[in-house]
Amino acid sequence: NAGVTQTPKFQVLKTGQSMTLQCAQDMNHEYMSWYRQDPGMGLRLIHYSVGAGITDQGEVPNGYNVSRSTTEDFPLRLLSAAPSQTSVYFCASSYSSGGEQYFGPGTRLTVT
Amino acid sequence: TQLLEQSPQFLSIQEGENLTVYCNSSSVFSSLQWYRQEPGEGPVLLVTVVTGGEVKKLKRLTFQFGDARKDSSLHITAAQPGDTGLYLCAGADTNAGKSTFGDGTTLTVKP
Repeated sequence: NAGVTQTPKFQVLKTGQSMTLQCAQDMNHEYMSWYRQDPGMGLRLIHYSVGAGITDQGEVPNGYNVSRSTTEDFPLRLLSAAPSQTSVYFCASSYSSGGEQYFGPGTRLTVT
Repeated sequence: TQLLEQSPQFLSIQEGENLTVYCNSSSVFSSLQWYRQEPGEGPVLLVTVVTGGEVKKLKRLTFQFGDARKDSSLHITAAQPGDTGLYLCAGADTNAGKSTFGDGTTLTVKP
């Protein structure tokens, strides 16, 4: 099992550009989440999904969209990148609500 | 919004010392998890506590969940340089299917 994979590992965008951060898991987990982590801080929840076709907003959803068409994939879309979105983005999945979350290696995004 | 406060934010100690990290909230959580994160990597689960008053031990690490399930502590005995990292607590809201993370405690253990 590859676990949770994220692409790309690094990305530089100019203000106003759009892009999609990819996340996939091969553990057949129903629950998936996207977090951002800023320097010296914990993880803030952007969007999450409790199953295919179901998504909901977390603490900091503005400027981001998600969809969950399959159990395996949970892409995060930045519609119009802003410098405030410079951060490290982590995708996570878990088998059950409140269960252990398995994290991907992260995507380091810089918006200039 | 459920908030989790961790203290201290930074901790630098010598090898062999003991330490305690705290995670506090005004909200009740279904369960609480502790993760450890190393630079450039994602967090990795250390333990999940579910029952109020529960104590779990993982080698030199002792985790306690408060009786009211609003707070937790992590105690490390005889810290080693390999314990260096960012320690994060996360409260689970199983009804909503999501978790809230604290801001973390950055621990440095000097040889």
